[in-house]
Amino acid sequence: GESVGLHLPTLSVQEGDNSIINCAYSNSASDYFIWYKQESGKGPQFIIDIRSNMDKRQGQRVTVLLNKTVKHLSLQIAATQPGDSAVYFCAERGGGSYIPTFGRGTSLIVHP
Amino acid sequence: NAGVTQTPKFRVLKTGQSMTLLCAQDMNHEYMYWYRQDPGMGLRLIHYSVGEGTTAKGEVPDGYNVSRLKKQNFLLGLESAAPSQTSVYFCASSQQDSWTAYNEQFFGPGTRLTVL
Repeated sequence: GESVGLHLPTLSVQEGDNSIINCAYSNSASDYFIWYKQESGKGPQFIIDIRSNMDKRQGQRVTVLLNKTVKHLSLQIAATQPGDSAVYFCAERGGGSYIPTFGRGTSLIVHP
Repeated sequence: NAGVTQTPKFRVLKTGQSMTLLCAQDMNHEYMYWYRQDPGMGLRLIHYSVGEGTTAKGEVPDGYNVSRLKKQNFLLGLESAAPSQTSVYFCASSQQDSWTAYNEQFFGPGTRLTVL
């Protein structure tokens, strides 16, 4: 069947490597940034968020970095595992709306 | 808790037919959303609701209608389906958002719709 990963930027890594997924955003008024993971055939799942007054936030094996100067967000996954293979979306919220706007996504492929 | 459920999982329609997609959540969330996802694109918001009896347009509302008669259900209707509405549809829900916090959205498994 058709995959949501078609035509998306793709990052291929070896199991055990660290992965860095990048995202550029456009709205300088955004106050929250969120990362979602979407496995094949499933709905997106929240991973981590970061508020605009922070530049780094860590979770379990994941770190999000925010650079407001260049409007750039990244998700770092440590010791990437095959189960991390998925499409990763960044989303931004702000500009007078509660509701986040999603980016196109990046497909992460982890080779065993 | 089942979380967010969607019915049906798959559907094939002919151009001009109508159908309703059902979303249900058992988390007592105030906010509910309908998105569509097309290959190579992110999620695009169709309509959303901030509470029972309320609905609002999102980014791509044309060709769709919604209703939120009960807090736990959010229905998405296609009155006259078109091939351009072939997509995967996701429903989501969240607690009431505020300007000081972001409440994560919980997504359903999706409905794959094909319009011939």
